[in-house]
Amino acid sequence: NAGVTQTPKFQVLKTGQSMTLQCAQDMNHEYMSWYRQDPGMGLRLIHYSVGAGITDQGEVPNGYNVSRSTTEDFPLRLLSAAPSQTSVYFCASRGLAGLTTSTDTQYFGPGTRLTVL
Amino acid sequence: DAKTTQPPSMDCAEGRAANLPCNHSTISGNEYVYWYRQIHSQGPQYIIHGLKNNETNEMASLIITEDRKSSTLILPHATLRDTAVYYCIVRVGTGANNLFFGTGTRLTVIP
Repeated sequence: NAGVTQTPKFQVLKTGQSMTLQCAQDMNHEYMSWYRQDPGMGLRLIHYSVGAGITDQGEVPNGYNVSRSTTEDFPLRLLSAAPSQTSVYFCASRGLAGLTTSTDTQYFGPGTRLTVL
Repeated sequence: DAKTTQPPSMDCAEGRAANLPCNHSTISGNEYVYWYRQIHSQGPQYIIHGLKNNETNEMASLIITEDRKSSTLILPHATLRDTAVYYCIVRVGTGANNLFFGTGTRLTVIP
């Protein structure tokens, strides 16, 4: 299994540009999420999904959109990039077996480093 | 989910045990303690979790106090590759809820 993959690894945008960060997992996990991490800080949840067709907002959703048309993919869209969105973005997934047990570990991708000028 | 408090940084000599404390005095009965770590620039990695009993796996041991208000992650023989930020997280163990990452403890293993 490749686990959780993210593309691109690095991206530079100009203010106002839009782009999509890709995330895919091959573990048949129902749950997927996006986090951002700013320098010296912990991860903050942007959006998450508990299955295809279902998404919800996390702690810092403004400026981002998500959709979940398949179990495997969970893209994150920046509608109009701003310098405040300069960050490292991590995608994560886990199975919903955790609904009834605590065996519920999340698997993280390698991250996308985004700079908005 | 309950809030956690961790020291911002710790050092440990290579080959010695690293003991990373976490305070979670407001933890409720159905909340588990999870530990993740993040090696520089990589995505976080799951280490271990527990409810009230001590737990051990191939990576680490987790000691939870009887009142569950604090816990300690133990890396029994720290190596240079264990240098990372360690996050202690408490959350309800079941259901589609999320992890809340604080700022963690930056562990530096010294040769």
